[in-house]
Amino acid sequence: QVQLQESGPGLVKPSQTLSLTCTVSGGSISSGGYYWSWIRQHPGKGLEWIGYIYYSGSTYYNPSLKSRVTISVDTSKNQLSLKLSSVTAADTAVYYCAREGWLGGRPPTGFDYWGQGTLVTVSS
Amino acid sequence: DIQMTQSPSSLSASVGYRVTLTCRTSHNISNYLNWYQQKPGKAPNLLIYTASSLQSGVPSRFSGSGSGTDFTLTISSLQPEDSATYYCQQTYSTPPWTFGQGTKVEIK
Repeated sequence: QVQLQESGPGLVKPSQTLSLTCTVSGGSISSGGYYWSWIRQHPGKGLEWIGYIYYSGSTYYNPSLKSRVTISVDTSKNQLSLKLSSVTAADTAVYYCAREGWLGGRPPTGFDYWGQGTLVTVSS
Repeated sequence: DIQMTQSPSSLSASVGYRVTLTCRTSHNISNYLNWYQQKPGKAPNLLIYTASSLQSGVPSRFSGSGSGTDFTLTISSLQPEDSATYYCQQTYSTPPWTFGQGTKVEIK
């Protein structure tokens, strides 16, 4: 059973960089066929896709956040990471990591495994 | 970006009733549409992928249909544990992937 677990500071000061890690267990990030995403949810609001990474290091970011986002992967630790720079109160949200199945030439098959989410509050 | 519009924003129905949720997209996305269920304080749970494929482990009372710009999620016989918010999500062409604003389903 694949499990994802987010970790990182729950409180970040404005203008600083938000850093989160997602540890994957029960499966290897390097196995291929899956993209690993970060998704956030503002309090009481809907879901916003931040970006994804493939085990090879290939990334794609939401243009709305692209200038501030970096997603990386450490296959040796079976982890992916999110860095969001120059945060403001508008970045206060629950942050999720999630796995998406996607084989070449076929539609993605949805986010089938999610972490439990971690609330990050931006406040001084 | 492809815009997603879900309707209704909320509904209330009795146990055993058939419930239909709608998701409309701003562009033709073929069948690149997924549905999720989210309960308070929990991560979303994948119900349906590629518009009509039932995710493993999901009860068969959930079904999805549609293609192009109009999609539906149907709960054939509403159960108390189905009280949740439901989101549609598109994965057409290139990212960014986008989600609908959600439909909150309550049990009468």
